[in-house]
Amino acid sequence: DVKVTQSSRYLVKRTGEKVFLECVQDMDHENMFWYRQDPGLGLRLIYFSYDVKMKEKGDIPEGYSVSREKKERFSLILESASTNQTSMYLCASSLSGIETQYFGPGTRLLVL
Amino acid sequence: EDQVTQSPEALRLQEGESSSLNCSYTVSGLRGLFWYRQDPGKGPEFLFTLYSAGEEKEKERLKATLTKKESFLHITAPKPEDSATYLCAVQPPRSDYKLSFGAGTTVTVRA
Repeated sequence: DVKVTQSSRYLVKRTGEKVFLECVQDMDHENMFWYRQDPGLGLRLIYFSYDVKMKEKGDIPEGYSVSREKKERFSLILESASTNQTSMYLCASSLSGIETQYFGPGTRLLVL
Repeated sequence: EDQVTQSPEALRLQEGESSSLNCSYTVSGLRGLFWYRQDPGKGPEFLFTLYSAGEEKEKERLKATLTKKESFLHITAPKPEDSATYLCAVQPPRSDYKLSFGAGTTVTVRA
């Protein structure tokens, strides 16, 4: 069974903290994605990766960075958390392109 | 800019009361249109991909259709377990990896 896991379901951080969100997939998928989901705005792509150590900016990369050192793991980093980064963060993976993305359960991040 | 608009924002149905959700888009040269289901506190779950106008796909009580400007998700004789938020997303012609998502329609089915 396909599985995408995220390291935390809920996180509370302070403004200015460095925040790491981890995502692991067990399907040997080439592609991995980070989205944020906000009410009324839908999902917005932050970064994606189509291979180990490869990354591309999505629509809203400002304030974020990513790391993909191993095929199964894709990390999202908030270098200095701000209150406007309070959101639900969703990780996804796909075998090729964006066909049939499999999503993790999400991490709800609150920045105080 | 590519725009995806879903309507209505929320839909309350009685069990067995069929209805349709709408997803309209401004993308020209669509490469694909995707429907996802999202339950509270969970990530979206893939339902369908449609590629060309006139195409239809079905899964249990759900049927998705596509025209040149919009897609419909028809829910036939819904049950309470069909309650969820339904998301629509489009793949623009220039993109291999990016989707533009709508804000979703939240469906509540009462027994």
